[in-house]
Amino acid sequence: ILNVEQSPQSLHVQEGDSTNFTCSFPSSNFYALHWYRWETAKSPEALFVMTLNGDEKKKGRISATLNTKEGYSYLYIKGSQPEDSATYLCAFIYNQGGKLIFGQGTELSVKP
Amino acid sequence: DAGVTQSPTHLIKTRGQQVTLRCSPKSGHDTVSWYQQALGQGPQFIFQYYEEEERQRGNFPDRFSGHQFPNYSSELNVNALLLGDSALYLCASSLVDSSYEQYFGPGTRLTVT
Repeated sequence: ILNVEQSPQSLHVQEGDSTNFTCSFPSSNFYALHWYRWETAKSPEALFVMTLNGDEKKKGRISATLNTKEGYSYLYIKGSQPEDSATYLCAFIYNQGGKLIFGQGTELSVKP
Repeated sequence: DAGVTQSPTHLIKTRGQQVTLRCSPKSGHDTVSWYQQALGQGPQFIFQYYEEEERQRGNFPDRFSGHQFPNYSSELNVNALLLGDSALYLCASSLVDSSYEQYFGPGTRLTVT
């Protein structure tokens, strides 16, 4: 059974804090890892697609790293803002065209 | 570009009934995947359709079935509804065998009473 774990499950931070989450996935048969941002009552929105060991991606204040050999990815948010409040999901794919295997998500709440 | 659309937004059904959910993919996409998100969990893969055929299937019973039409839109059907089928059902579209991200709709909230 392929299992994807995310930690922490929830996080409450103050505006301006920097934060990071972890996604752990099977280190064998890796094809790709996706990060999604999901605001309440909206559609999940893709942040990053990561395919190579050592990949680092950045979009504004959000960045992500990937270690396929040890099976983890980190998502970082620098200087959190209230609009960053959302659930952040990672999803693992083990073969081309394969299904997304999601973690349970990290719920981030940023207080002004 | 309308993106991925799903209908209806919300649905309430009684145990034992049947339900059909609909999805229109993002323009240019040919593959549709369906996911079920139960409370407190991440989305779980139900199945994927390409060229009007079921291409992959997750660990869901045969009560869950689907269809893809020539215009790439898709339906998810659930028969003999159980209380445990209450969940948010997400549709995602993509290009076949692409490593690029999937585009999700806003989901259909199904409540079974």
